[in-house]
Amino acid sequence: AQTVTQSQPEMSVQEAETVTLSCTYDTSESDYYLFWYKQPPSRQMILVIRQEAYKQQNATENRFSVNFQKAAKSFSLKISDSQLGDAAMYFCAYINFGNEKLTFGTGTRLTIIP
Amino acid sequence: SAVISQKPSRDICQRGTSLTIQCQVDSQVTMMFWYRQQPGQSLTLIATANQGSEATYESGFVIDKFPISRPNLTFSTLTVSNMSPEDSSIYLCSVDRVGTEAFFGQGTRLTVV
Repeated sequence: AQTVTQSQPEMSVQEAETVTLSCTYDTSESDYYLFWYKQPPSRQMILVIRQEAYKQQNATENRFSVNFQKAAKSFSLKISDSQLGDAAMYFCAYINFGNEKLTFGTGTRLTIIP
Repeated sequence: SAVISQKPSRDICQRGTSLTIQCQVDSQVTMMFWYRQQPGQSLTLIATANQGSEATYESGFVIDKFPISRPNLTFSTLTVSNMSPEDSSIYLCSVDRVGTEAFFGQGTRLTVV
């Protein structure tokens, strides 16, 4: 079974600084997708960024980028120029190609310090 | 994309009673998913709901406790039966597009007293 591990229960960063959230996963599959989801206090789960395992290029979305290391099974999220609105729980998630069940990590609570 | 309307957004219920949560999607989807998120925890999949067949439950979840209906391709309900304080959680419904992203309802915050 696939597992997703987030080793940082809580992180904090000064506003406008950069922070990196860690995620590792375990799978025997070769085709899969990885995601970072954000859950603010409103409870709404929002997709931040996704990465296809077959792509070597790291995904980027504006201030959000990932460092995808397939061999190491590592998928970290970098948030640049942190903003107060980035404060939330961040979940790393995994899904096999051809499957529709997401596996979530335990989450990292990100606090932005003004 | 998909817009999901989930109701109620929150409820406070007496132990021993049942609550039915509704999830309406703005487009037809094959599978819908129900998650539980206990306080301060991650999301745990309860079951997968397919239209026209019985839901598939994950280990640790049973139909008698969490009956699910899926009458058509845009709607599903999850009932939390015979509730106890341990059932106090956020319940979320979700749909996804393989390889793209999952879309979530706004969640239902359930408190059992």
